[in-house]
Amino acid sequence: QSALTQPASVSGSPGQSINISCTGTSSDVGTYNLVSWYQQHPGKAPKLMIFEVTKRFSGVSNRFSGSKSANTASLTISRLQTEDDADYYCSSYAGRSTVLFGGGTKLTVL
Amino acid sequence: QVQLQESGPGLVKPSQTLSLTCTVSGGSISGGAYYWSWIRQHPGKGLEWIGYIYYSGSSYYNPSLKSRVTMSADTSKNQFSLKLTSVTAADTAVYYCARDGWGRTGGFNFWGQGTLVTVSS
Repeated sequence: QSALTQPASVSGSPGQSINISCTGTSSDVGTYNLVSWYQQHPGKAPKLMIFEVTKRFSGVSNRFSGSKSANTASLTISRLQTEDDADYYCSSYAGRSTVLFGGGTKLTVL
Repeated sequence: QVQLQESGPGLVKPSQTLSLTCTVSGGSISGGAYYWSWIRQHPGKGLEWIGYIYYSGSSYYNPSLKSRVTMSADTSKNQFSLKLTSVTAADTAVYYCARDGWGRTGGFNFWGQGTLVTVSS
């Protein structure tokens, strides 16, 4: 099992939209609709934002949305705000009761 | 609101066993079909899933760590634990305990604050 692939960094200006990709294989992202996205600020625990590919967790802004096509999942953040500046991680169920995480993407809001 | 809190030594010597406990409050580890996990984060790096434990004792581990990991649950104390044997400097990380909100899906909706464990002599 290898970690899911995410871009190391993305950036955007306040008010813009950005996408973060999460690429796996046909054994994980491509087979299961069990992709989650997490936001992590420095020194803090990760926070669940999206689960089961498209579902927003309780209290999460509707500016955050998730999607999937084949072996790649995506997180879209619209109308960027300065507080969105953080690290973002994807995860996927990978069969046999195992979970894979992505390497993480640092989002800079310029 | 479910809360999780990790506890255990912050410093472990190489070749010894790392032992951590996660205490759950605001809910029972045996209530509902929840699986409880340990996840770690090496300094400045990404997240790594370590394994799942169910309150009954059923467990599932990351294949890359399976030979060194044991998880257990104590329903009387509402706690679950991690043991990682034969540690090296590569096991230095922040260790988080978390709850999967929907079975074994990778959707961790509650997390502890994390505890830094350093492996050093």
